[in-house]
Amino acid sequence: GDSVTQMEGPVTLSEEAFLTINCTYTATGYPSLFWYVQYPGEGLQLLLKATKADDKGSNKGFEATYRKETTSFHLEKGSVQVSDSAVYFCALSDGGGATNKLIFGTGTLLAVQP
Amino acid sequence: GAVVSQHPSWVICKSGTSVKIECRSLDFQATTMFWYRQFPKQSLMLMATSNEGSKATYEQGVEKDKFLINHASLTLSTLTVTSAHPEDSSFYICSARVLTPGQGIVEQFFGPGTRLTVL
Repeated sequence: GDSVTQMEGPVTLSEEAFLTINCTYTATGYPSLFWYVQYPGEGLQLLLKATKADDKGSNKGFEATYRKETTSFHLEKGSVQVSDSAVYFCALSDGGGATNKLIFGTGTLLAVQP
Repeated sequence: GAVVSQHPSWVICKSGTSVKIECRSLDFQATTMFWYRQFPKQSLMLMATSNEGSKATYEQGVEKDKFLINHASLTLSTLTVTSAHPEDSSFYICSARVLTPGQGIVEQFFGPGTRLTVL
């Protein structure tokens, strides 16, 4: 079945460092890809998304490009802030499926130190 | 974006009692809502898909008699944990699905979650 694999955390960075969180997927169709962020004590929020190959999703300085050839959707940010500390989840959705379920990776905890 | 609320945000109950968690879409109608369970430091596990006016579809391994789901209106779904036990303690999150017409884009908007602790 479809699955998402993302790098294990925690990832600890200093403020203004460059961030990469790797995410790869396995899917039989052509899924939509998402990054969600979960701040401490809160629910998930959609950070960015991409619906087809070569699409780049971006929001709040974060970017991710849908790479079909490498089945990847790595999350990047050029300069992280303390306020970016959260758990980041990569997810896919089979847009053509009857239920359109989201399948999540295990999450990566990011801790940004001042 | 669309707003989804959950109530209560946290609940503590005694073993053997039942707890009801509400999930509401505040500014849109949701024909489909999802219930997830999140264990500490782990990902979200889909428990069931809730469709308005019909029975919920449960994922493999989820006890439908223990986790009762009702989706009586387009803005409300409820999850009732019956005869709760300490192992049911977890973070329960709901989401509502929004389908962008003509684009096939599916988004889910998540509630803030409910922390259940069973003593």
